[in-house]
Amino acid sequence: QSVVTQAPSASGTPGQMVTITCSGGSSNIGTYSVNWYRQFPGTAPKLLIYSDNQRPSGVPDRFSGSKSGTSASLAISGLQSEDEADYYCAAWDASLNGPVFGGGTKLTVL
Amino acid sequence: EVQLVESGGGLVQPGGSLRLSCAASGFTFSSYWMSWVRQAPGKGLEWVANIKPDGSAKYYEDSVKGRFTISRDNAKNSLYLQMNSLRAEDTAVYYCARLTRDPWSFDLWGRGTLVTVSS
Repeated sequence: QSVVTQAPSASGTPGQMVTITCSGGSSNIGTYSVNWYRQFPGTAPKLLIYSDNQRPSGVPDRFSGSKSGTSASLAISGLQSEDEADYYCAAWDASLNGPVFGGGTKLTVL
Repeated sequence: EVQLVESGGGLVQPGGSLRLSCAASGFTFSSYWMSWVRQAPGKGLEWVANIKPDGSAKYYEDSVKGRFTISRDNAKNSLYLQMNSLRAEDTAVYYCARLTRDPWSFDLWGRGTLVTVSS
């Protein structure tokens, strides 16, 4: 069981805004920046958000990240069918000298 | 092209060994921390190990300590994972990932290589 938790599933209809949350502790999210990764079935994960709220080049501004205390959120506005994927949060963990991933949230576009 | 390509996965019996490789291209490999991340079938992502750019520091997830060894050859632009005493629970797709620090992120991933531990 991961020390960083996410709801296993989320859903929305096209055009809606969906928020995926991630909850951790003082040794990870509470101290270090949070990243979000998106993974389509059968493919490698891809960086979506880094440093809590920064988008890598090429990521649409429909995707935004935020953090407060030991929790973080990924918001997807103007939901599209191609947003259907698994979303993972991750934060560095001081006790590991490495990152810890959330369990992932499967997003379904209804 | 900037890319990472893993190889070396396959079927191995419990207690056996396997060595994974990751070939890097298109960037200055020797300047980056590198990592292995795995994903068991139908499960989430799990960090396995990190290695410093010059190989002088290595860190491991608790369940693989003493069994797995991460290493690199900067002259060959290659990352390795030596896996010994393999267990069924090590069955996963193993991804090679480039780790940027300050702020940290895995900003480049390979396609992965499947390791299956079964008799």
